[in-house]
Amino acid sequence: QSVLTQPPSASGTPGQRVTISCSGSSSNIGSYSINWYQHLPGTAPKLLIYNYNQRPSGVPDRLSGSKSGTSASLAISGLQSEDEADYYCAGWDESLNGVVFGGGTKLTVL
Amino acid sequence: EVQLLESGGGLVQPGGSLRLSCAASGFTFSNCVMSWVRQAPGKGLEWVSGIREGGGNTYYADSVKGRFTISRDNSKNTLYLQMNSLRAEDTAIYYCVKRITTYWAFDYWGQGTLVTVSS
Repeated sequence: QSVLTQPPSASGTPGQRVTISCSGSSSNIGSYSINWYQHLPGTAPKLLIYNYNQRPSGVPDRLSGSKSGTSASLAISGLQSEDEADYYCAGWDESLNGVVFGGGTKLTVL
Repeated sequence: EVQLLESGGGLVQPGGSLRLSCAASGFTFSNCVMSWVRQAPGKGLEWVSGIREGGGNTYYADSVKGRFTISRDNSKNTLYLQMNSLRAEDTAIYYCVKRITTYWAFDYWGQGTLVTVSS
């Protein structure tokens, strides 16, 4: 059971906007920045969003992050087939004194 | 170009030990917080351990505390993970990761090394 809760799956059609949620608590999302990763099978995970809504260079602006209280969301607009992957939220947890990952959300582009 | 190259994975029996290494290049290793993240077969990502720039502060997931030890040699630009008392549930791909300066976000990942714990 992950400390951060994500839906196991999400889906959308090309061009659509999809959001993936991440629910936590005051000891993680409520107090510390949340980050999002994309993981394609057989490759190394890739950082998409850090500090809730900052994008590393090279990450397109159709990806965005937000936070409200103890929940965070990743939004992908203009969905493309190459967005089909697993997505993880993660961040520091002060109760555990370590980094925690969500269970991951498998995004399917229909 | 930032590169993180893991080595040391392999097959080990339950209760055995293994030491992973991660050779870093393309950035000032001694200025960066480093971590290990793993992914068991069919499971999600799990953070394992982290170490501050100078090596004086270390952090561990509860699942490995007391069994794994993270360390670094800044003169060799190398990160290590000593894994003792290995269990079947430690079977995973282990990734060496570099942390962004200010936040616990990992901007560079190695390709991973597979550790299999089985008799």
